[in-house]
Amino acid sequence: GAVVSQHPSWVICKSGTSVKIECRSLDFQATTMFWYRQFPKQSLMLMATSNEGSKATYEQGVEKDKFLINHASLTLSTLTVTSAHPEDSSFYICSARGKDSWSYGYTFGSGTRLTVV
Amino acid sequence: TQLLEQSPQFLSIQEGENLTVYCNSSSVFSSLQWYRQEPGEGPVLLVTVVTGGEVKKLKRLTFQFGDARKDSSLHITAAQPGDTGLYLCAGARGYQKVTFGTGTKLQVIP
Repeated sequence: GAVVSQHPSWVICKSGTSVKIECRSLDFQATTMFWYRQFPKQSLMLMATSNEGSKATYEQGVEKDKFLINHASLTLSTLTVTSAHPEDSSFYICSARGKDSWSYGYTFGSGTRLTVV
Repeated sequence: TQLLEQSPQFLSIQEGENLTVYCNSSSVFSSLQWYRQEPGEGPVLLVTVVTGGEVKKLKRLTFQFGDARKDSSLHITAAQPGDTGLYLCAGARGYQKVTFGTGTKLQVIP
């Protein structure tokens, strides 16, 4: 089945530094990848949608200059949290969709727990 | 804005009991998925329903898509501690992004 690898699974960084999270589709080409943020005991909130080779589409209220998304290839998307602050601490999850999976479930990465101290 | 409301938000039951989780919306979806998420992990797909009125069974789990494709339910028979987790419904309209429900946190006590 489709597998999405997300790395790192957890990261602790100092306030003001930047953190990069990678999302890779291992056995399929992900034409579209999605980045979510999840607070404890809450559902997933979509941050942005990225299509390979084009600029990401950000949801309302998400700062594009703070959360930089790059989808340079059909198997890799990255989310960079720039100048991180404690309020950016959260669980970040990516998901990927291939060409033929529009009506079916999406494959999710295992998530990245970001803690900014 | 959450377009998919799930109920209940929290559910704590004894092992062996039955339960139903509901996912409701005022919007029509072309497909609806159910996921289960465990702490510290990404959601794992349980099922996708695409036809109004469709019923799918996965062992002790029964999923139903409403006739109008606006709502869905998940019924678990004889719940087991391994069923514990956050259950999320998610709706899709064609090739657009998926909208997640508000989530139902289930705890099954041995």
